[in-house]
Amino acid sequence: NAGVTQTPKFRILKIGQSMTLQCTQDMNHNYMYWYRQDPGMGLKLIYYSVGAGITDKGEVPNGYNVSRSTTEDFPLRLELAAPSQTSVYFCASSVTGELFFGEGSRLTVL
Amino acid sequence: RKEVEQDPGPFNVPEGATVAFNCTYSNSASQSFFWYRQDCRKEPKLLMSVYSSGNEDGRFTAQLNRASQYISLLIRDSKLSDSATYLCVVRNAGNMLTFGGGTRLMVKP
Repeated sequence: NAGVTQTPKFRILKIGQSMTLQCTQDMNHNYMYWYRQDPGMGLKLIYYSVGAGITDKGEVPNGYNVSRSTTEDFPLRLELAAPSQTSVYFCASSVTGELFFGEGSRLTVL
Repeated sequence: RKEVEQDPGPFNVPEGATVAFNCTYSNSASQSFFWYRQDCRKEPKLLMSVYSSGNEDGRFTAQLNRASQYISLLIRDSKLSDSATYLCVVRNAGNMLTFGGGTRLMVKP
């Protein structure tokens, strides 16, 4: 049972570098989300998607981009990494309201 | 005012104690409510949904008060394994799910 799979699990970036966090789900869920969680804090919504071809900004979208070309995949791109983007990133999918999360991607920007 | 607010704690309780957390939300049009549990350095996992009539799952009871715009989680007979962060989640129109900051619970022997 794969569920929601995120890669990479860990990454260290230099300021100004770019990278893509990959997220894929095999549950045929229409809704997918990217959250970030800073230490000791709750989750903040970056972007979400209600289906292939449709994406919307969440609470903290600046510095990120997403695409949703298929139901399964929802990659998150950081174009110019900044220290403020050091965080744990969670991808999730849902169909009825219950969120299924990936294991998280820990990103450090130095 | 934050859309979903929780007391961050920590709540330090002995084994066997009963503990309750509240969560307030600001959007009166919110549609669904959930409690998630998050262990240290792990992803959140659904603990229980919160229904209008209140619901119980073993030692856990969740209640919703729409008039006062809060939900609650009651844990009876606390176990060491209940130590975690409990996240309140509110679903609004368009399936937008907003998290509270979480309440940390530490159950001690």
